[in-house]
Amino acid sequence: DGGITQSPKYLFRKEGQNVTLSCEQNLNHDAMYWYRQDPGQGLRLIYYSQIVNDFQKGDIAEGYSVSREKKESFPLTVTSAQKNPTAFYLCASSFRTELPGYTFGSGTRLTVV
Amino acid sequence: DAKTTQPPSMDCAEGRAANLPCNHSTISGNEYVYWYRQIHSQGPQYIIHGLKNNETNEMASLIITEDRKSSTLILPHATLRDTAVYYCIVRVAIKAAGNKLTFGGGTRVLVKP
Repeated sequence: DGGITQSPKYLFRKEGQNVTLSCEQNLNHDAMYWYRQDPGQGLRLIYYSQIVNDFQKGDIAEGYSVSREKKESFPLTVTSAQKNPTAFYLCASSFRTELPGYTFGSGTRLTVV
Repeated sequence: DAKTTQPPSMDCAEGRAANLPCNHSTISGNEYVYWYRQIHSQGPQYIIHGLKNNETNEMASLIITEDRKSSTLILPHATLRDTAVYYCIVRVAIKAAGNKLTFGGGTRVLVKP
């Protein structure tokens, strides 16, 4: 079955370390997105990519970096510059059409220890 | 994109219909109304979308007022598994605008036995 896979489900990081969250999809979707969710809050857009080798900053890109070398993959790196990285991270994908129906992954919960 | 207003929370009795309101008084003619839901600690799930006509699928019905300034998502027979946060999103559907979706706070729905 087609879907979008995020790994790992839980991730612990020491302060000052960079960490990379994986997101892979086999839906043949063109566009991919990363959102951050804090407890009791809505989702905030970090980065998005509409085609391979191209990506744009979302609303809260500072302290994060991404790459889009393959259509299927859109990894997110949380750098040491991100002041408060503990959060739930969600990856999504969609076709690059006029109507953005998203498919979301099951998320990665990152905790800084 | 037009802004949406939703009640922060509501309760519903199991087996009864759940009617979730959304106000989008600044919606423009080319903006669609989308509904997603997020069950605790999972990625959001697409429910339904519409432009001006009422829509129905296997999950829910979407009723959009004639002036398009508000809409109601109807879960016809709520079950305990429908307990989730429901997001109403308004989005223009043109390729040039990209496919970004902005998630607000949503409505936290608790279905009670």
